[in-house]
Amino acid sequence: EVQLVESGGTLVQPGGSLRLSCVMSGGTLSSHEMNWVRQAPGKGLEWISFIRRSGNTINYADSVRDRFAVSRDLAQNSLFLQMSSLRAEDTAVYYCVRQLWSGPGPYMDVWGKGTTVIVSS
Amino acid sequence: QSVLTQPPSASGTPGQRITISCSGGTSNIGSLTFSWYQQFPGTAPKVLIYSNSQRPSGVPDRFSGAKSGTSASLAISGLQSEDEAQYFCAAWHDSLNGGWVFGGGTKLTVL
Repeated sequence: EVQLVESGGTLVQPGGSLRLSCVMSGGTLSSHEMNWVRQAPGKGLEWISFIRRSGNTINYADSVRDRFAVSRDLAQNSLFLQMSSLRAEDTAVYYCVRQLWSGPGPYMDVWGKGTTVIVSS
Repeated sequence: QSVLTQPPSASGTPGQRITISCSGGTSNIGSLTFSWYQQFPGTAPKVLIYSNSQRPSGVPDRFSGAKSGTSASLAISGLQSEDEAQYFCAAWHDSLNGGWVFGGGTKLTVL
């Protein structure tokens, strides 16, 4: 059974940087398409990034494009989210999510428990 | 503002059947395939429905999904108190290398 564990969330000042990590166990990261999804306090879900299992296609939501970057370390079976130029509106729980394809489209079948990022002075 | 539109709240009594809608409106993000997620406070979302109407193993058959055009619906029959949660719809779009759009979520209250 695949499990995902995020870490790295903390309090950071506006304009600062932070790197989140997501370790996969029970599976091989290179075999899966992955997403980062965040949820601001009391708000809904917001997709922020997707990476294909090949690693050669990465996409970002407009709200984080040019500020956030996704990378992988396949030896560590880990996915990373490098966040820079952080703003108060980036405050959220960040989830690492596995994506599977079935029939007409994909779905997000395994979610980590999330890691909390607070951007505040 | 979410690309997919859900009612912010819904309610029902135990045993009742309720539906939650999710509208893609006049979305120009192409053909949509919907999935639905259930979330309890302080926990991560869990997939309930994928590919518009399929249930993962372990999800009770009280939960069902349907799609019509650019909209979808989640139905819960035989409502139980433990169904009280937040429900989100989501859809994948292939434009610009792919990505997800979510509904704003519906808070279900079991009266």
